[in-house]
Amino acid sequence: DAGITQSPRHKVTETGTPVTLRCHQTENHRYMYWYRQDPGHGLRLIHYSYGVKDTDKGEVSDGYSVSRSKTEDFLLTLESATSSQTSVYFCAISESGGRSYSYEQYFGPGTRLTVT
Amino acid sequence: ELKVEQNPLFLSMQEGKNYTIYCNYSTTSDRLYWYRQDPGKSLESLFVLLSNGAVKQEGRLMASLDTKARLSTLHITAAVHDLSATYFCAVDRASGTYKYIFGTGTRLKVLA
Repeated sequence: DAGITQSPRHKVTETGTPVTLRCHQTENHRYMYWYRQDPGHGLRLIHYSYGVKDTDKGEVSDGYSVSRSKTEDFLLTLESATSSQTSVYFCAISESGGRSYSYEQYFGPGTRLTVT
Repeated sequence: ELKVEQNPLFLSMQEGKNYTIYCNYSTTSDRLYWYRQDPGKSLESLFVLLSNGAVKQEGRLMASLDTKARLSTLHITAAVHDLSATYFCAVDRASGTYKYIFGTGTRLKVLA
């Protein structure tokens, strides 16, 4: 299994508070992603990173920011949590090497976030 | 805007039967991925399809890609209960961006 951990795994927070989720990898993969998963929507990309300090927005980036100061860590911050951000958040990594430039993604275990 | 559509969204089938899940996407892409997710779990990579005509098989599952038709299929042969899960396809948004769009998933339930 790819070495990806997410912390915390579960969190309950109140509306208006900032929240930071952490993704940590031990694979030295270049690309890291944050997705949210909601019923009826599949997985939607929030932000992704293509290198240290190199990030880009996904399709549902409003209300979220990210940072990547080291290859192994990718942080997702909800600047002021809202109930609509209640979701399961998955981190993923990918790399061009290994399976002939497949950019196959490996997913972390997920973080269940509830905003009350 | 790239869209990825899967059908059916829900599939209930008897053990031993065959069925196909379809994944249609709206723009050109040379890379398509299939993932499996068990309830309450993370996603697991099943297949990576990198070119037109690619076919991959693992056990009772076979995936194929037709880039001209912008269609991938996931065929299930002689289904067993252990295949019950949600299956997602994902497409690279555009060459060089490595941003992926996922389908909404197909929830498969195999009945004994």
